[in-house]
Amino acid sequence: SAVISQKPSRDICQRGTSLTIQCQVDSQVTMMFWYRQQPGQSLTLIATANQGSEATYESGFVIDKFPISRPNLTFSTLTVSNMSPEDSSIYLCSVVSDNEQFFGPGTRLTVL
Amino acid sequence: LAKTTQPISMDSYEGQEVNITCSHNNIATNDYITWYQQFPSQGPRFIIQGYKTKVTNEVASLFIPADRKSSTLSLPRVSLSDTAVYYCLVGALGGGADGLTFGKGTHLIIQP
Repeated sequence: SAVISQKPSRDICQRGTSLTIQCQVDSQVTMMFWYRQQPGQSLTLIATANQGSEATYESGFVIDKFPISRPNLTFSTLTVSNMSPEDSSIYLCSVVSDNEQFFGPGTRLTVL
Repeated sequence: LAKTTQPISMDSYEGQEVNITCSHNNIATNDYITWYQQFPSQGPRFIIQGYKTKVTNEVASLFIPADRKSSTLSLPRVSLSDTAVYYCLVGALGGGADGLTFGKGTHLIIQP
């Protein structure tokens, strides 16, 4: 299994600013994913962040807006850049361990 | 990736058995069927996974017919705390390199 923590758990930000979300895993994992969950909606994959390679972004998400770092096998960051109210969502980190996908508690972001 | 169709919402009462059916007509030979549960303000949590026939664990049972074009999650004797969103997903074991793709989910509401 894998236990995932995220920081911050929530934040309120002003438009035009950036926020970096941290994801820490209690074990080494190769595959890591970042999801977004807009209010009342399902989860949407933003990007895949495997250690040792550049993040791969899904359609509709670009690196300039959501830069990702993956410096080692237990840690990753997602930055939401130049935020607007439309970026208000829950952002979730996810990893695969022992053929099961685990999710972090999420970071609730509100952009004013 | 195979798409899934499940009811948007369901209601039931404490102590009842709840069955949520999911359609996945285009499931691939290598795809597994996985169900996740999500409470408000939390990340999704793995419930059960199967490939064919029946799988049972301490939380639920998963019934998969021979053609694998649908599956049914069975929750025995539900309680109020089972009120949550339930997602049916199909894909590679553990999500594979692309992660899991989430559909809209079923909002299950348990009443006293």
